Amino acid sequence: GAVVSQHPSRVICKSGTSVKIECRSLDFQATTMFWYRQFPKQSLMLMATSNEGSKATYEQGVEKDKFLINHASLTLSTLTVTSAHPEDSSFYICSAQTGQGARETQYFGPGTRLLVL
Amino acid sequence: AQTVTQSQPEMSVQEAETVTLSCTYDTSESDYYLFWYKQPPSRQMILVIRQEAYKQQNATENRFSVNFQKAAKSFSLKISDSQLGDAAMYFCAWTYNFNKFYFGSGTKLNVKP
Repeated sequence: GAVVSQHPSRVICKSGTSVKIECRSLDFQATTMFWYRQFPKQSLMLMATSNEGSKATYEQGVEKDKFLINHASLTLSTLTVTSAHPEDSSFYICSAQTGQGARETQYFGPGTRLLVL
Repeated sequence: AQTVTQSQPEMSVQEAETVTLSCTYDTSESDYYLFWYKQPPSRQMILVIRQEAYKQQNATENRFSVNFQKAAKSFSLKISDSQLGDAAMYFCAWTYNFNKFYFGSGTKLNVKP
């Protein structure tokens, strides 16, 4: 089956530093990649949608200058949390989508836990 | 507004028994897709089952089946012969164009041995 990896799985950083999270589709090319944020015991909140070679589409309330998304290829998308602060601590999940029309399927990465001190 | 509601924050089921998780949604779209995802303690989201709204037949995947009531905008998940490994958070989700997915708040399923 399709596999999506995320790196790192866990990161601890100091306030004010930037953190980059990678999302890779290992055995398929993803037409679209999504970035979600999940708070403890809550649902997934969509942050942005990215397509290869184009600018990401951010959801309302998500600061695009703070959460930089780069979709460099059909198998790689990165999320950079710039000047991270403790309130950015969360679980970040990416997903990669493949297929067409009714056969489109979303595959999730294992998530990255970010702790900002 | 496009919303997904899971009214059961937590449920418990005895091993080998059957449990049904509820989900309702709100949309004005006529063609869309519905999903149930499982998130175990590892936090890896796993697709359990999907349903195309244009199909009247309820989807089934081994022990998992859905009861899709389009007019009522209801999409419940039935787990038969529950196993300890079924314990997880279950999220209902839908999309109409695969550009955005709407997730419910989740139901935590406990399986008692």
